[in-house]
Amino acid sequence: QSALTQPASVSGSPGQSITISCTGTSSDVGGHDYVSWYQQHPGKAPRLIIFDVSNRPSGVSNRFSGSKSGNTASLTISGLQAEDEADYFCTSYSTNSPYVFGAGTKVTVL
Amino acid sequence: QVQLQESGPGLVKSSQTLSLSCTVSGASLSSGIYYWNWVRQHPGKGLEWLGSIYYSGTTSYNPSLTSRITVSLDTSKNQFSLNLSSVTAADTAVYYCAAQSLGEFFFDYWGRGTLVTVSS
Repeated sequence: QSALTQPASVSGSPGQSITISCTGTSSDVGGHDYVSWYQQHPGKAPRLIIFDVSNRPSGVSNRFSGSKSGNTASLTISGLQAEDEADYFCTSYSTNSPYVFGAGTKVTVL
Repeated sequence: QVQLQESGPGLVKSSQTLSLSCTVSGASLSSGIYYWNWVRQHPGKGLEWLGSIYYSGTTSYNPSLTSRITVSLDTSKNQFSLNLSSVTAADTAVYYCAAQSLGEFFFDYWGRGTLVTVSS
């Protein structure tokens, strides 16, 4: 059981937009603006794509965006491309841990 | 570009100590710019933060592992290490090392991970 809840899989066609949710509690997602998102292709190292809820590191496509409402954070990928097919996981600073993670969401481009 | 690479045995016997190293390139462990972290992912499960170390030697550990975990630095090799004692099958996981910028709450760079299986 992961501390943060993500859907196991999300799929979309090229050009579409998809959203991945990440639900926690008031001790983590809801209580701090320190949610980050990572992309991981098979056999590769995870790559930071969103930090502090909605900020993109230099070099990350603006097709990736993040937001938060209450205890749920979201990652939206717009203009879905074949190269976006990967696993995505969220993490949040937590009052208790100090970091908690989601189990990851597999994104499939149809 | 900072790169991290995990290394160590892929198989550890139950009750023994799991020992992994993380070799860093593109940054000096002594620079004080990053915290150096260990994270693991159990098969089919979410990730779990294990602990971290700063260049000064200051460590922080997951409260659930405090009695079994040690993270240390070897600045001469630009490596940091994880020791996890008294392992059981529940410690079977992919182990990642990751760099976290000082004052930030995310992980800038990660290694590819290494699978460690605990056998009986």
